[in-house]
Amino acid sequence: AQKITQTQPGMFVQEKEAVTLDCTYDTSDPSYGLFWYKQPSSGEMIFLIYQGSYDQQNATEGRYSLNFQKARKSANLVISASQLGDSAMYFCAMREGWFSGGYNKLIFGAGTRLAVHP
Amino acid sequence: EPEVTQTPSHQVTQMGQEVILRCVPISNHLYFYWYRQILGQKVEFLVSFYNNEISEKSEIFDDQFSVERPDGSNFTLKIRSTKLEDSAMYFCASSEATPGLETTDTQYFGPGTRLTVL
Repeated sequence: AQKITQTQPGMFVQEKEAVTLDCTYDTSDPSYGLFWYKQPSSGEMIFLIYQGSYDQQNATEGRYSLNFQKARKSANLVISASQLGDSAMYFCAMREGWFSGGYNKLIFGAGTRLAVHP
Repeated sequence: EPEVTQTPSHQVTQMGQEVILRCVPISNHLYFYWYRQILGQKVEFLVSFYNNEISEKSEIFDDQFSVERPDGSNFTLKIRSTKLEDSAMYFCASSEATPGLETTDTQYFGPGTRLTVL
C-alpha cells in the first residue's frame, strides 16, 4: 500500500484564489510527522509546513495552512491568495516514528503540479 | 539564513565511471541525508547519516553507493561504476534532530545535483 497518496497530478487556480492540495497517508505508527515541500521548475525542494501527529492545532505558515484530519489520515495543504510564483510541484511527505523503525527517512508522495493563472 | 549547499549543480559522466557528489549541510545540524529523484518521478530516500555512521539506508543504497563525512563540514555521496539508470537529481538534506528533545526535525534540502550518465 502507498504510504503517501496525492491523487491530483495537476491542479490549476486563478490568481488570488485559494487552492487545496490533497494528501492522504497510511501508517500504524502513533508518532509521525507530515511535511509539505514545494519544487519550482528550477528543481530545488523548499520546505513549506510541518504537522506533528500529536499537534492539537492545524499548522499555519503565512499563506500556507495544513488541514489535518487525523481520523481520516489526511493532511491537505491550503494555499490562500495564490500568486503566480506559487506555480510549482508540491510534495507531501511523511516521517514515521521509532515504532516503525524508520525514524529518519521521509516518504514522499508523487506530487501535484499546481498552475496559477493570472 | 543558513542553507544546505551542493556541488556541482550538474555532473555529466560516462557509464562505468565513479562520481562524488558533495554537500555542505547546515552547520548546527546533526542528521544528514541523501535522496534521489529520477526525472518525472517521486523523491526516494537513499541514506541517512548520524554520528559518523549510516543510521538507515534504503534497498536502493547498495554496494555501489557510499557516504562519508571527510571533515567537519562536507558530506559526500560516492557512486561507483555508474549506470545509465543512476541518472537523476540527487538531493542532500540535513536536520537538527536532537535526540531526546521535541523538535520538528524538519529536513532542509539543498538545491540538488543533476547527474547525467552517458
